[in-house]
Amino acid sequence: DAGITQSPRHKVTETGTPVTLRCHQTENHRYMYWYRQDPGHGLRLIHYSYGVKDTDKGEVSDGYSVSRSKTEDFLLTLESATSSQTSVYFCAISDGAGGYEDTQYFGPGTRLTVL
Amino acid sequence: SQQGEEDPQALSIQEGENATMNCSYKTSINNLQWYRQNSGRGLVHLILIRSNEREKHSGRLRVTLDTSKKSSSLLITASRAADTASYFCALQPSGGSYIPTFGRGTSLIVHP
Repeated sequence: DAGITQSPRHKVTETGTPVTLRCHQTENHRYMYWYRQDPGHGLRLIHYSYGVKDTDKGEVSDGYSVSRSKTEDFLLTLESATSSQTSVYFCAISDGAGGYEDTQYFGPGTRLTVL
Repeated sequence: SQQGEEDPQALSIQEGENATMNCSYKTSINNLQWYRQNSGRGLVHLILIRSNEREKHSGRLRVTLDTSKKSSSLLITASRAADTASYFCALQPSGGSYIPTFGRGTSLIVHP
């Protein structure tokens, strides 16, 4: 999986609790992304980062925050988890050198269940 | 919407047959990419086709792009059981950001 790890791989939590998912890369790529994947919706972008401390929102950012204090780590936080955030979360990276032809490399995913 | 729509949603074939899946879209694009996702895994990039290209090949994969019809097709020839996966098209809209938008995918099952 192109030097990308996600932790945890599985998590079950209760509504209202905070949750942090971690994405770690060893490729030194500039761009990092968080997606969620749900049946019938495909892959939807939550947040992305274009450098250390540089982040921006995607199409489904409500209820999520991110942080990137080091090139290799991109954290996704659910401040107060809700059942609608039950999903599979994927981290992806790209080096940005390709511009519009950039290829994304995906991590193995984290399955989150909010009860 | 800048999202591609894959068709069919699901496809079931026998090993050795060809598999064709399509992606239609509504916006102008710089390029279109196809990704594969095996069950329980992340997406893997397969191939990119630019807006000024009509056809590209990579091994058993053949991708076509018709910008006048705003559609692309992915053909997998001589399918194998290992091709069982979901396949996604990802659009790179013209004038947009560098981040592609993904469709909902086609689920392919290849029976041995």
